Amino acid sequence: NAGVTQTPKFRILKIGQSMTLQCAQDMNHNYMYWYRQDPGMGLKLIYYSVGAGITDKGEVPNGYNVSRSTTEDFPLRLELAAPSQTSVYFCASSYSSGEQYFGPGTRLTVT
Amino acid sequence: AQKVTQAQTEISVVEKEDVTLDCVYETRDTTYYLFWYKQPPSGELVFLIRRNSFDEQNEISGRYSWNFQKSTSSFNFTITASQVVDSAVYFCALTPYNNNDMRFGAGTRLTVKP
Repeated sequence: NAGVTQTPKFRILKIGQSMTLQCAQDMNHNYMYWYRQDPGMGLKLIYYSVGAGITDKGEVPNGYNVSRSTTEDFPLRLELAAPSQTSVYFCASSYSSGEQYFGPGTRLTVT
Repeated sequence: AQKVTQAQTEISVVEKEDVTLDCVYETRDTTYYLFWYKQPPSGELVFLIRRNSFDEQNEISGRYSWNFQKSTSSFNFTITASQVVDSAVYFCALTPYNNNDMRFGAGTRLTVKP
């Protein structure tokens, strides 16, 4: 099993550009999550999904959108990137409220 | 609202010392889960433990032990005989039983010197 995979690993965006961060898991987990981690801080939940077609906002959803058309994939869309979105983004998955398995992260810089 | 506080920003110890990382939480839910994760310098997040709010038994796993006290809303983590490889940022986290809105503390950076 590959576990949770994220692409790209690194990305530099200009202010106002858009992009999609990809996340996939092959563990047949029903729950998936997107977090951001700012330097020296803990993770903050952006969005989560409890199954295909169902998404919910987390603590810091503004500026982001998600969709969940399949169990395996949970892409995160940034529209009109801003410097405040410079962060490391982690995707995770879990079976119900159990242990969350994290991907390796995507380091995003917006300049 | 839920909140997790890790008051110790950084801790530095010498190898073989014992060290305790504090975690205090706030929640209005009567049932919830508590977690500890480790983030080594390589950046990935490694699951260490999950506890249910209705199970206050302490847990030991090798050199790691966890003390859950509902009365003080604390879930502290102790590393016995620390090793250089324990150097990492450790996060405590909380999620309600009926949803997955997980909240993390700010983390404690542990440095173990040889």
